[in-house]
Amino acid sequence: DVKVTQSSRYLVKRTGEKVFLECVQDMDHENMFWYRQDPGLGLRLIYFSYDVKMKEKGDIPEGYSVSREKKERFSLILESASTNQTSMYLCASKENTGELFFGEGSRLTVL
Amino acid sequence: RKEVEQDPGPFNVPEGATVAFNCTYSNSASQSFFWYRQDCRKEPKLLMSVYSSGNEDGRFTAQLNRASQYISLLIRDSKLSDSATYLCVVNSMDSNYQLIWGAGTKLIIKP
Repeated sequence: DVKVTQSSRYLVKRTGEKVFLECVQDMDHENMFWYRQDPGLGLRLIYFSYDVKMKEKGDIPEGYSVSREKKERFSLILESASTNQTSMYLCASKENTGELFFGEGSRLTVL
Repeated sequence: RKEVEQDPGPFNVPEGATVAFNCTYSNSASQSFFWYRQDCRKEPKLLMSVYSSGNEDGRFTAQLNRASQYISLLIRDSKLSDSATYLCVVNSMDSNYQLIWGAGTKLIIKP
């Protein structure tokens, strides 16, 4: 079974703090994604990566950066967290068939 | 107009009933369509891909109507365990990597 693991299920941070969200997949997928999910909105793509050290902006990249130093690991970074970044963050990796496999999500609260 | 729209529900349905809901999409050139299921406080998981000819998997039937630009999901003989949010997903024409997500339809099956 494909496994996508996100490092933290729940985080509480203060405004201005730097936040790292880690994601690891064990299926050698080339494509990895970071989404955020908010009530009443669909999943919105923040960044994605189609190869090591490659990254592309999604629909809402402002306030975020990413790192893909190894194929299995894709990290999301909030350089200076703000209250409007309170959300559920979902990491996913993708098979060639198109199916996305998600991690369990990281629920971030910024105070 | 949102690119992918779903009725948010909730749909309250008695156990054993048949329920159907639609998802409309705005880009007539879209080629790939999916239904994902998301349980409360869990990650989305692929339920079905939607093919031009329609497809069926047990009690679930998915259909595509290109002329009217919508996809549908039909659930027969509904079970309590079908209670979830159903997310409609359409590929983005801007990028092969991106998917456009509906906000989801919440289904509650009552005993």
